[in-house]
Amino acid sequence: EAGVAQSPRYKIIEKRQSVAFWCNPISGHATLYWYQQILGQGPKLLIQFQNNGVVDDSQLPKDRFSAERLKGVDSTLKIQPAKLEDSAVYLCASSLAGTAANYGYTFGSGTRLTVV
Amino acid sequence: AQSVTQLDSHVSVSEGTPVLLRCNYSSSYSPSLFWYVQHPNKGLQLLLKYTSAATLVKGINGFEAEFKKSETSFHLTKPSAHMSDAAEYFCVVSEDKLVFGAGTILRVKS
Repeated sequence: EAGVAQSPRYKIIEKRQSVAFWCNPISGHATLYWYQQILGQGPKLLIQFQNNGVVDDSQLPKDRFSAERLKGVDSTLKIQPAKLEDSAVYLCASSLAGTAANYGYTFGSGTRLTVV
Repeated sequence: AQSVTQLDSHVSVSEGTPVLLRCNYSSSYSPSLFWYVQHPNKGLQLLLKYTSAATLVKGINGFEAEFKKSETSFHLTKPSAHMSDAAEYFCVVSEDKLVFGAGTILRVKS
């Protein structure tokens, strides 16, 4: 099966600019996650979708970050305006509904964002 | 709330010697536990998982982990390190979502 697709692979922007990342999960996976991985740290959950609804966005900095999954398939994560501390790898993952606890997720390769 | 502590940020071993990466967890319930590996500039790959079946779990590439409830530990081991094992390893606990530890960087010396 095809894996989780993410684009772009790399992005460099200046602070205060905006940026968007795209994720296409594995076909049939109802649950989609966005994680932020800062250099030297483990991934941190930003937002979890079940189909097109938000399950958990408690760690999403909502003053600058937004995410959507309008049709319950693809998702976009946006940062506006970006700050230097947003430099990180943004990982998308997906899982079948209700199976993450037993089977984990499948992760995409991530988007490496550098804010200068 | 669930959490994970990886006790070593860096581990260095010689090729052919055993590997031990330590992980302690905290969970209100009987959690699922995972180990993921991340090679440089690559995505996260699932090594193995514990989901309340056998306490000794075997994964890919010769890795295994033992779930010890009394010690709230889930240490990752491999009998003989290979150069290709050099990577960052994450211990993960899951009740309803995956929570990652800070990671352990494994260095393998020739």
